[in-house]
Amino acid sequence: EIVLTQSPATLSLSPGERATLSCRASQSVGSSLAWYQQRPGQPPRLLIYDASKRATGIPARFSGSGSGTDFTLTISSLEPEDFAVYYCQQRSNWPLTFGGGTKVEIK
Amino acid sequence: EVQLVESGGGLVQPGGSLRLSCAASGFSFSSYSMNWVRQAPGKGLEWVSFINHDGDTTYYADSVRGRFTISRDNAKNSLFLQMNSLRDEDTAVYYCSRDTWSDWGQGTLVTVSS
Repeated sequence: EIVLTQSPATLSLSPGERATLSCRASQSVGSSLAWYQQRPGQPPRLLIYDASKRATGIPARFSGSGSGTDFTLTISSLEPEDFAVYYCQQRSNWPLTFGGGTKVEIK
Repeated sequence: EVQLVESGGGLVQPGGSLRLSCAASGFSFSSYSMNWVRQAPGKGLEWVSFINHDGDTTYYADSVRGRFTISRDNAKNSLFLQMNSLRDEDTAVYYCSRDTWSDWGQGTLVTVSS
């Protein structure tokens, strides 16, 4: 099973600041990595797939990069609605796995 | 508009069974693979099971293999998860998701407790 490790667990930032979230895989997943945003009481929302492709309707301030075992989600300038929990997911191997999540909170 | 609506959750005793349903609309259900994902209270996301578009290929997480069965009825645009031998650790919100991963239901809560 591929283990995804997200860091940091919590990121305390102010609106307008840049957020950089990391996801590291225990073995290569190529580019088969996605990022999700989850707000309280809501299902996950797909942000990025294939490591760097923005899903439909996702603002340009969200970008993904990386391949192999190291991936990054960047939010260029935090909006109030961006404070949420973010998960990475690998779709390279069965079983599919998610990272433990990074909470982006208001500083 | 794509809609996925889960149902069938509730309170069940350890060792009991429950069948979850996911009603799909707004897309050609029979053309898409589907997944179940769960989230324990206050915890992260856990993929549970996958079924391909015609139901002849399925995958399961190790934690549920042998206890849970995924199935679908394309004529009724419905996805199912039969859950047997339920354990306390199966307590979670269960989401169905289209295999594009851009569409999710709102989830149904399963509580396993005596």
